[in-house]
Amino acid sequence: GENVEQHPSTLSVQEGDSAVIKCTYSDSASNYFPWYKQELGKGPQLIIDIRSNVGEKKDQRIAVTLNKTAKHFSLHITETQPEDSAVYFCAARGGMNTGFQKLVFGTGTRLLVSP
Amino acid sequence: EPEVTQTPSHQVTQMGQEVILRCVPISNHLYFYWYRQILGQKVEFLVSFYNNEISEKSEIFDDQFSVERPDGSNFTLKIRSTKLEDSAMYFCASSGLRDSGNTIYFGEGSWLTVV
Repeated sequence: GENVEQHPSTLSVQEGDSAVIKCTYSDSASNYFPWYKQELGKGPQLIIDIRSNVGEKKDQRIAVTLNKTAKHFSLHITETQPEDSAVYFCAARGGMNTGFQKLVFGTGTRLLVSP
Repeated sequence: EPEVTQTPSHQVTQMGQEVILRCVPISNHLYFYWYRQILGQKVEFLVSFYNNEISEKSEIFDDQFSVERPDGSNFTLKIRSTKLEDSAMYFCASSGLRDSGNTIYFGEGSWLTVV
């Protein structure tokens, strides 16, 4: 089945810097890759997603890139702010063999933005 | 904005007791899920539900677990005889029609503590 690896596990940046989180996936049939932000004690909140027919997507300070050949995708946050501090999870929707609606999550990245 | 709501937010139960976690998915969604997150770990898929039946389940979802959609709005997860290792945050999620986008929205979670 699908396996998603995520790096780094923790990331500390200064306010205003950029942050990049990277994920790799194993199932070449996966076609949907969301990113979730999770604040302490809360549920995962979708911040951006990308489908396999697109190489890059941007929404204000957040962008996601997808390299299908290499099977990796990345989250880019520019001009980071303290309120960006949270745990970020990448996920992949497996191919038909693993269930077309099941999300497989990465292990998470704890982002800390210092003022 | 529509959201997935869950109750209770926190429940403490004794080992061996039955627990029911409740969820109200987004009203026009057709796919419903339960995921869990053990403290400090990644979010794990438990089960997906579509058209009044389980469409996929993970190896975690064994005979002690069951799901039900008792009416047009609620979606429940029952754990028949809780074990210490069932202590986790349980997230309900829902998504719309497969072909119209498969963004999965999560609730805020129900924190279960088994003592």
